[in-house]
Formats: sequence, structure tokens, C-alpha cells
Amino acid sequence: EAGVAQSPRYKIIEKRQSVAFWCNPISGHATLYWYQQILGQGPKLLIQFQNNGVVDDSQLPKDRFSAERLKGVDSTLKIQPAKLEDSAVYLCASSLVQSQAYGYTFGSGTRLTVV
Amino acid sequence: AQSVAQPEDQVNVAEGNPLTVKCTYSVSGNPYLFWYVQYPNRGLQFLLKYITGDNLVKGSYGFEAEFNKSQTSFHLKKPSALVSDSALYFCAVRDSLTGGFKTIFGAGTRLFVKA
Repeated sequence: EAGVAQSPRYKIIEKRQSVAFWCNPISGHATLYWYQQILGQGPKLLIQFQNNGVVDDSQLPKDRFSAERLKGVDSTLKIQPAKLEDSAVYLCASSLVQSQAYGYTFGSGTRLTVV
Repeated sequence: AQSVAQPEDQVNVAEGNPLTVKCTYSVSGNPYLFWYVQYPNRGLQFLLKYITGDNLVKGSYGFEAEFNKSQTSFHLKKPSALVSDSALYFCAVRDSLTGGFKTIFGAGTRLFVKA
């Protein structure tokens, strides 16, 4: 089966600019996650979708970050305006069902550098 | 609140020797525990999980992990390390009681296997 697709792989922007990342989960996976992984740290959950609804966005900085999954399939994560501390790898993951017992399938991530 | 700790930033082992990567956790309910591996410029890959049952769980690439409830640990092990096992390893936990479907990741342990 095809994996989780993410684009772009790399992005360099200046602070205060905007940027968007795209994720296409594994076909049939209802649950989609966006994680932020800062260098030297473990991934931190930003937002979780179940189909096109938000399950958890408690750690999403909503003043600058937004995400959507309009048709319950692919998703977009946006940052506007970007700050230097947003430099990180943004990982998308999906799982078949919203179950505590399932592991995730991760994409390769988008590495964002804010200068 | 749930938390997970990986006390070692780096583990060095010679090829052919057994390896252990340590993980401890804290939850309010029962833990759901996971190990993921991250190779350079790649997303995280699921290795194994403990949900319930036998304390020794077996996963991909010859890895296994031992759940110890009294020590709140879930150490990753492999009887004979390969150079190709060199990567970044993340332990993750979900709390059955309070964590919902949120997975908390440790900071990661870098494994170096020397030929």
C-alpha cells in the first residue's frame, strides 16, 4: 500500500511569511495527525482529525497555525505568520481507526527553516 | 497527565552485541506503549506496541520490548545488533484513562552500532 505522502520535503522562508504543508494519508485511514518535531526533541501533537472533524487541537498555536481536512482525506497545515521558533520538521501520520491500540503510519515530513 | 522519559540521549553498542534502549513512563490508567524508529530524512516507523497480555512483545526487524509494570518501564531490546540498526528511537505512550487518543513521545535515543 502507498504510504503517507507529504509535500514539500523542504521549505525555507523568512520570518513573518506564510507557508502551507500538504498531507495525503493512506487510503481509508480515517484518523490524521499533524506533529511538530523540533531538532533534538520528540514529536509533539499539533492537531488530530477524525474524518473531517477536529478531535484534539489543544496544542495548536491557533493565533498563527491552522489546519483543515475538508473532505476527510488530505489535509493542509498552514502557518501565518511564521516565527523563527517554528523551524522544525512537520510530520503527518494516519491510522485506520481512532483506537488507542493502533500505531501510526508517518510520512517523511516537511523540514521548515525560518530565517 | 501522561509522560514518557528516555534517560539516554545516545546508546553505543558493537555489532553482534545485545542492545537495550530504555524507556520509562507515567500514566493514570493503563498504559498503551509504542516504539518507533526514525532513519535519517525519513518519517517515524512503527516497531512494536504493548496493549495488554504477555509482557514481552516482539516487533519488526528482530526487536522486542519488555513491559514492567512495577518499574513503569518499556525497554527496547535486540539480542544481536546490526550496523543498520543505527537510528533514532522513540518511545511513546497513551494513557487509557486520561490520554484519550493523544500519543506522547519521548525525546528520543540515538543508537550507534559500530562494526
